[in-house]
Amino acid sequence: GNSVTQMEGPVTLSEEAFLTINCTYTATGYPSLFWYVQYPGEGLQLLLKATKADDKGSNKGFEATYRKETTSFHLEKGSVQVSDSAVYFCALLLRSGGYNKLIFGAGTRLAVHP
Amino acid sequence: KAGVTQTPRYLIKTRGQQVTLSCSPISGHRSVSWYQQTPGQGLQFLFEYFSETQRNKGNFPGRFSGRQFSNSRSEMNVSTLELGDSALYLCASSFNAGGPTTEAFFGQGTRLTVV
Repeated sequence: GNSVTQMEGPVTLSEEAFLTINCTYTATGYPSLFWYVQYPGEGLQLLLKATKADDKGSNKGFEATYRKETTSFHLEKGSVQVSDSAVYFCALLLRSGGYNKLIFGAGTRLAVHP
Repeated sequence: KAGVTQTPRYLIKTRGQQVTLSCSPISGHRSVSWYQQTPGQGLQFLFEYFSETQRNKGNFPGRFSGRQFSNSRSEMNVSTLELGDSALYLCASSFNAGGPTTEAFFGQGTRLTVV
């Protein structure tokens, strides 16, 4: 079946540290891939996306590359800030018969300390 | 441009009652999807509506239903509430339904507590 697997959290880092959150997927066809971020008490915000193999999505210093050969979409940031503390969700978009359906990973909580 | 608006933000209901949640998508967006978020199950797809038609439904009991109006606003209804229905319900809207660049924009959610 279609699924997304993320590394378990929480991930605890000091400010300015390098961040990697691993994400791998299983899907039929060629899904689009997304990273969403959820701040406390809020809904989900789209962080970045990639629609085909080798695409690199980037936003606010975060990057992720769509790797078809390893079915991965790992999130990276070179220097995290306290304000990056949130829960990060990797997701794939299934499109079939005209409908959209996002399948999410379990989420990875990131805590950044000063 | 206004974002996705969900009302109410918070709800407390009693077991056995029914509840209706509302979602106003971004202007021009015709696709509205609903998701349930719980600590145990994470984010799970409920259903998607496009042009007033339900196009896909997740693996939830028939107590969960929804509809979409001609202005793309959507409501979801849960009847005979159970304690396990306590969750954050998120609505997402998108414009380019089914296209490769479809992006879903989420509302802030409705926090439902069943007591």
